[in-house]
Amino acid sequence: GNSVTQMEGPVTLSEEAFLTINCTYTATGYPSLFWYVQYPGEGLQLLLKATKADDKGSNKGFEATYRKETTSFHLEKGSVQVSDSAVYFCALPAGYSTLTFGKGTMLLVSP
Amino acid sequence: DTEVTQTPKHLVMGMTNKKSLKCEQHMGHRAMYWYKQKAKKPPELMFVYSYEKLSINESVPSRFSPECPNSSLLNLHLHALQPEDSALYLCASSPTGRAAYNEQFFGPGTRLTVL
Repeated sequence: GNSVTQMEGPVTLSEEAFLTINCTYTATGYPSLFWYVQYPGEGLQLLLKATKADDKGSNKGFEATYRKETTSFHLEKGSVQVSDSAVYFCALPAGYSTLTFGKGTMLLVSP
Repeated sequence: DTEVTQTPKHLVMGMTNKKSLKCEQHMGHRAMYWYKQKAKKPPELMFVYSYEKLSINESVPSRFSPECPNSSLLNLHLHALQPEDSALYLCASSPTGRAAYNEQFFGPGTRLTVL
């Protein structure tokens, strides 16, 4: 079945540093890919998504490109802020109604 | 209104108690979900309701009993829980149950502690 592997954290950065969180997937066909973010004490919220190969999803300065050649969907941001400190989950459909999530990567940004 | 609300925010219960978690959305979504999330782990799917019918039960113990009284409401009834059931319980909804195309909107969760 479909699965996703993302880098373990925590990732610790200073404000304004460049961020990359790696995500690779195994899937049948070319499913949509998602990044969700969970801020402390909150539920998950969709950060961005891509529905087909070579699509770039973007939101709040974050970007991820759907790369079928490398089966990857890495999350990037050019300049992180303290407010970006959160847990980031890569996800893809695992069945008709279900998502499979990566283990999550905690990002800690210091001033 | 693009919110999923959950009550209560926190719940402490004994192993012999019966309690319920409530979830509500007014986005007209026809699929609703219960997830369980342990600390530092991704959410684990428990149940999916599609058009008010239970479509997925991920082999959840019967001490958890879901209910979907109408398209806006989702309940999770709890009875005779174990301490290992302590977790954050997240509700989510999506326009339809098709995961490939539909963003899931999550509520803030209920933090459950079983003593």
